[in-house]
Amino acid sequence: DAKTTQPPSMDCAEGRAANLPCNHSTISGNEYVYWYRQIHSQGPQYIIHGLKNNETNEMASLIITEDRKSSTLILPHATLRDTAVYYCIVRPPDNYGQNFVFGPGTRLSVLP
Amino acid sequence: NAGVTQTPKFQVLKTGQSMTLQCAQDMNHNSMYWYRQDPGMGLRLIYYSASEGTTDKGEVPNGYNVSRLNKREFSLRLESAAPSQTSVYFCASAGTIVYNEQFFGPGTRLTVL
Repeated sequence: DAKTTQPPSMDCAEGRAANLPCNHSTISGNEYVYWYRQIHSQGPQYIIHGLKNNETNEMASLIITEDRKSSTLILPHATLRDTAVYYCIVRPPDNYGQNFVFGPGTRLSVLP
Repeated sequence: NAGVTQTPKFQVLKTGQSMTLQCAQDMNHNSMYWYRQDPGMGLRLIYYSASEGTTDKGEVPNGYNVSRLNKREFSLRLESAAPSQTSVYFCASAGTIVYNEQFFGPGTRLTVL
């Protein structure tokens, strides 16, 4: 069963912020939200993860709503190289294999 | 650091043939994973190894076997390939127990005729 819902595709103008939403209304209290992306034909790349606080790293920011039922990945200044499929995943910690499910994701197209 | 490496990059098999996909990581990670990705789909976990000496089934293990040869290497074997196993296979490793951020290899593109 899919634990997250993402729009199948989005467009973003180059240089603008890309805001990718994810719904995870059945998230459990100990489950983290992870984001990965997959650039065409390459292996997925880890972006960021969080539990309930907003997180930021050199690649992106993760905003998690207070009720934790949804989150948004923000790429602050999208470039053409950010064109990829973005995956939102929820999973508990200390769990090596089960429930780490990559769904169909959101295909982000950054347009010149 | 090469990260996660996979061999071969491409392979074509006939139905019934066997082969082993190799994966190695040089990040001293404890856990390793094998996924498959069919066209237009997300990744599905085949097998994983939480640590050297242990392996467990994932979501789609049928038709596959794995070996955690040592801490660095985790191989995936198809004993009798079927056309349904045509896919891209990704190996991944993770170093932290709690957060499990996974680092992926470049993939092996397998076609079974």
